[in-house]
Amino acid sequence: AQTVTQSQPEMSVQEAETVTLSCTYDTSESDYYLFWYKQPPSRQMILVIRQEAYKQQNATENRFSVNFQKAAKSFSLKISDSQLGDAAMYFCAFFLMNRDDKIIFGKGTRLHILP
Amino acid sequence: DAGVIQSPRHEVTEMGQEVTLRCKPISGHDYLFWYRQTMMRGLELLIYFNNNVPIDDSGMPEDRFSAKMPNASFSTLKIQPSEPRDSAVYFCASSLDARSYEQYFGPGTRLTVT
Repeated sequence: AQTVTQSQPEMSVQEAETVTLSCTYDTSESDYYLFWYKQPPSRQMILVIRQEAYKQQNATENRFSVNFQKAAKSFSLKISDSQLGDAAMYFCAFFLMNRDDKIIFGKGTRLHILP
Repeated sequence: DAGVIQSPRHEVTEMGQEVTLRCKPISGHDYLFWYRQTMMRGLELLIYFNNNVPIDDSGMPEDRFSAKMPNASFSTLKIQPSEPRDSAVYFCASSLDARSYEQYFGPGTRLTVT
């Protein structure tokens, strides 16, 4: 069975600094997708960044980038130049699209931005 | 508890047909969410309910989509008429209360519209 682990329930970072959220997962599959989602109080799951497992290059989206280590099954999110609007819950998610579609979320990391 | 239950697991239909997806949340959970998952856009929140009342349906793509929650243990998402671009995996999730961010997801319904 697939699992997703976020070991940091809460983190704080000073505004304009860089923070890294960790995520590890376990699977025996080779073809899957990984996502980081941001969830503000509105509860909307906002896609931050996506990584296809077959791609070796780490995905980047503006201030957000990932460090994808497939062999280590690690998928950390780096936020550069943190902004107050980045404060939210962040969920790492694993998506397997085959005959058994599954989306599995980690328990989340609450990120606080200190002014 | 069996977790969030969705049916059917797979649905193949022709363009123009009506499609109904079903969800049974975890007993005691106050919130129910409907999501659509595509590779390009990831997980999109379509609508969510609190105590059977729709709270936010701003994610519903257009009038062809409708959702109901007639009681605490059952919800439906209906697409009428269906179009090929509706093909996706649709997830239902439930959450305990307003203080809980953790959502429990069902297994999803893979919808294919030809």
